Amino acid sequence: DAGITQSPRHKVTETGTPVTLRCHQTENHRYMYWYRQDPGHGLRLIHYSYGVKDTDKGEVSDGYSVSRSKTEDFLLTLESATSSQTSVYFCAISVGQGESSYNSPLHFGNGTRLTVT
Amino acid sequence: KQEVTQIPAALSVPEGENLVLNCSFTDSAIYNLQWFRQDPGKGLTSLLLIQSSQREQTSGRLNASLDKSSGRSTLYIAASQPGDSATYLCAPRGGGSTLGRLYFGRGTQLTVWP
Repeated sequence: DAGITQSPRHKVTETGTPVTLRCHQTENHRYMYWYRQDPGHGLRLIHYSYGVKDTDKGEVSDGYSVSRSKTEDFLLTLESATSSQTSVYFCAISVGQGESSYNSPLHFGNGTRLTVT
Repeated sequence: KQEVTQIPAALSVPEGENLVLNCSFTDSAIYNLQWFRQDPGKGLTSLLLIQSSQREQTSGRLNASLDKSSGRSTLYIAASQPGDSATYLCAPRGGGSTLGRLYFGRGTQLTVWP
């Protein structure tokens, strides 16, 4: 929905390797978010972006970095993957292009299931 | 930090029943509140967004109410169907410098049996 594509859908990687997850949107939405979902914790915000090259940390940002060099792509990188980063990762967007569109409905991608062995 | 609680954690009902899902949050300074459903292994689907100035929002068989001052929202599902089986999540949206960040509860897992 809202033209959001996450890739890959599934990934298995080894501890210590870098991993990059991609979120692609087709409708020039300004605000993009990365969440992780874990049993017992619900959804937690990792990083978010409020424009090209404008990003900020969420509540669980340690061990993660993000980049947004184009409006349509928001990349999440695990610098050196650890087993605690095994999770389902969701990208989300706030519908709209304006500065106040952060208050618009949030729409989610289908998620990436990451397993770190 | 905003804390969100959803009660009950799980609910199992026969088809046709009218349901009430409860959501409470600790910080009443919110812009709006969004309800989602999540099917197993899937992403979140937006159901309703209710603004802080609104009391109710309706979509089909769903009705969400918001009492901002008391930090509560309720999702009513009328005439439940097996296809309503999913996890329902509420998420108030913070104000100020949080740039629209949503805070999520752990959800209510709903099962509707035929």
